[in-house]
This record gives sequence, C-alpha cells and structure tokens, in this order.
Amino acid sequence: AQSVTQPDARVTVSEGASLQLRCKYSYSGTPYLFWYVQYPRQGLQLLLKYYSGDPVVQGVNGFEAEFSKSNSSFHLRKASVHWSDSAVYFCVLSAVEGADRLTFGKGTQLIIQP
Amino acid sequence: DAGVTQTPRHEVAEKGQTIILKCEPVSGHNDLFWYRQTKIQGLELLSYFRSKSLMEDGGAFKDRFKAEMLNSSFSTLKIQPTEPKDSAVYLCASSWGRQNTLYFGAGTRLSVL
Repeated sequence: AQSVTQPDARVTVSEGASLQLRCKYSYSGTPYLFWYVQYPRQGLQLLLKYYSGDPVVQGVNGFEAEFSKSNSSFHLRKASVHWSDSAVYFCVLSAVEGADRLTFGKGTQLIIQP
Repeated sequence: DAGVTQTPRHEVAEKGQTIILKCEPVSGHNDLFWYRQTKIQGLELLSYFRSKSLMEDGGAFKDRFKAEMLNSSFSTLKIQPTEPKDSAVYLCASSWGRQNTLYFGAGTRLSVL
C-alpha cells in the first residue's frame, strides 16, 4: 500500500519570505513523486516531478523540491514567495509509470500575507 | 493546443435528478480520468479510460455514477439519481502514453439541493 501525507492543511507566509511545504510518503520502493498546484477555480497543474537521479528537482515559477529516501519525504521549497503563489498544493505519488495509479495528498493551502 | 475542457462549470440539481457532466481531453491523449474533489476526502478516482476502454470504474461509486467515452475526444459522467452528498467539484484529466503527468480541466462544481 502507498500513501501521501501533507501534515499542514494551511500555511501562511509573508510575501517575499521563503517557503517549505512538507510531504511525507509511504512506499517500500522508489516512487515517482510530483507536486501539483491548484489556483482558485482552476484544475490542478504540474509544478515539478521526480523520477530518479538528482534528488533536487526544479519546477516552474522558482519552485524546487528535494527527494529524501531516508526520510520518505519530498518537500517543496521556494526562496521568495509572491502573492500570486496563493493556491492549494498537492503532493502526489506513483509506484509505476502511467497516470492510473496516482495517490494524492489532501493538499496544503498556501496563504500569502502582504 | 487546447487543454482539457469541462462543461458546465457550475451545475445545480435537485435531489433525485439526473445530471451529465462533459469533458473534452487534450487532443491526442489516450488516457482519461474522472475525479471527485471534496475538502474532506480530497481527490477520489471515479473512472479511468485507456483508448476509450473503461479500465477502472471507481468501486464505491459504481451504483449511481456512470462514465462513458463516446469517442477519443469526448467523455461524459452521469450521476443518477443525484444526492446532496454528491455536492463536490468533478475534475476531468487526460494523459498519454506512460507519462504520469495529468492535464486537468477547470472542473464542474456540482451543488445538489
């Protein structure tokens, strides 16, 4: 069985501050990992993905994530947030290639304060 | 390229009604997914098609939910009869090949009174 836990339902950050959104997964092998973002009244969009290799992966809009097998984590980071980053962020796991076996976290709502 | 298109964006139904949600996947994608999104349960897979063949029909959602893929560029999700607990956002997504990346539509927000 596989699972994804995003321990923070809501995170509030001041504009210009750094950000880390946490993601822990449970899976015995090496998973495929993703971060998706959902802006208000829109569908989910892919931010970045990890398949193998360098544990730090770069995504769009200055986001990056770091895979840690020892910690079973895939935390999302950004050096300086902008008000437009306000959205819900989902950590997603897949044990296999293909989009038919994705496990979604419950999401973390990011609120940017001026 | 056009993304995934879902219609309508909003739907209000009375309890017991039949509603049909529509989805047009990204052109050339051969995998299509229907998800239900609620704050409590998050994203739940309702149906999954590969090359128009139904691969997964969502287990617990089988009795009142029926997804169909009439051709490679159009899918519907029928809920019959609707119940207030069906109030949620219904998302359609598509993918291709063995890519894990999903392309989502903006969703249909369903309210059942």
